[in-house]
Amino acid sequence: QITLKESGPTLVKPTQTLTLTCTFSGFSLSTSGVGVGWIRQPPGKALEWLALIYWDDDKRYSPSLKSRLTITKDTSKNQVVLTMTNMDPVDTATYYCAHSPRVAAGLLDVWGQGTTVTVSS
Amino acid sequence: EIVLTQSPGTLSLSPGERATLSCRASQSVSSSYLAWYQQKPGQAPRLLIYGASSRATGIPDRFSGSGSGTDFTLTISRLEPEDFAVYYCQQYGSSPTFGQGTKVEIK
Repeated sequence: QITLKESGPTLVKPTQTLTLTCTFSGFSLSTSGVGVGWIRQPPGKALEWLALIYWDDDKRYSPSLKSRLTITKDTSKNQVVLTMTNMDPVDTATYYCAHSPRVAAGLLDVWGQGTTVTVSS
Repeated sequence: EIVLTQSPGTLSLSPGERATLSCRASQSVSSSYLAWYQQKPGQAPRLLIYGASSRATGIPDRFSGSGSGTDFTLTISRLEPEDFAVYYCQQYGSSPTFGQGTKVEIK
């Protein structure tokens, strides 16, 4: 059974850097084709795809946020970390991580419960 | 970047009715890399359909997807009470994007 869980601060100040960790079980990020992605959702708004990292360390980023995002993996710890620099109140959202299966790169078939991040001074 | 436009924004229907949701892409979606997700209040999205028309594991057969190129449709043949939710389409090519969502509400 695949599970994912997001963790990180619930409150960050403007201009700070956000670091979120996705800890997963039930699969390995060393398996060919597998990936983990990050998605966010501002309150009452639509989903926004942020980034995805694959088993071979290939990384994809949202073009509009690419300059602010870094995604890394620690295969031995079953973790993926997303950092977002220069946080702003508009970045207030629920942040999700999700599993991307080997058979369909970029598809998100199992999601974590999400973690809420508020950006405020 | 491929922009996905979903319509209508809100669909007001009664249980037992048929729901038809549209997702239109600004350019052709390669290899039908189009998915549909369902999201209920306070919950994470759940994958319903991938590859434009394949149901994910455990998804009832009242949910079906169709389309190719730039026009895709999610159909719920007979709405059950638990189907009232927000639905998102996603293209999962090299730079994935989501549509803005369609809310299916009880009439």
